[in-house]
Amino acid sequence: AQSVTQLGSHVSVSEGALVLLRCNYSSSVPPYLFWYVQYPNQGLQLLLKYTTGATLVKGINGFEAEFKKSETSFHLTKPSAHMSDAAEYFCAVSANFGNEKLTFGTGTRLTIIP
Amino acid sequence: EPEVTQTPSHQVTQMGQEVILRCVPISNHLYFYWYRQILGQKVEFLVSFYNNEISEKSEIFDDQFSVERPDGSNFTLKIRSTKLEDSAMYFCASRRAGNEQFFGPGTRLTVL
Repeated sequence: AQSVTQLGSHVSVSEGALVLLRCNYSSSVPPYLFWYVQYPNQGLQLLLKYTTGATLVKGINGFEAEFKKSETSFHLTKPSAHMSDAAEYFCAVSANFGNEKLTFGTGTRLTIIP
Repeated sequence: EPEVTQTPSHQVTQMGQEVILRCVPISNHLYFYWYRQILGQKVEFLVSFYNNEISEKSEIFDDQFSVERPDGSNFTLKIRSTKLEDSAMYFCASRRAGNEQFFGPGTRLTVL
């Protein structure tokens, strides 16, 4: 079974500051990890994914995440926040890439302070 | 760019009524999913569908729920007798073999 914990339901950062959204997972098998973003009144858009190989993965809009097996973490970062980054972010895990259902965290709402 | 579409965007219904939520997956996708998100809670898996049959379903997906692919393009979720606790945002997703899931914009269901 898989589960995801996202620390911080709301995160606020100043424009230009570092964005750090935390995700910890639990999985009985090697996990596949995803970050999705949801803008108001829109669906879930894939930001990035980790399947196998390089543990630092880069996604769209300047975001990246690092898979750390020893810490069971997959935190999302962006060096410099932009106003357009304001959205809800969801971390998700599956047992096999695309073959299994996604198990989501509770989400983190990111607010950007001008 | 192809995208998953869902209709309606918002459905209001009376408790006990049947509702059908519609999804049009991306055309070359073969795997289909429904998820729901109750306000303020996490996105939860309901059901997956492949080759015209359910692949997996969660404990939420009880006998009042059903899914169907009535033609080559639509994928529907039916709730036979809605309850207040069915009020949620329902997301449809689809994927090709070996790729990530693409999500639709969701249908907000309100049960009065």
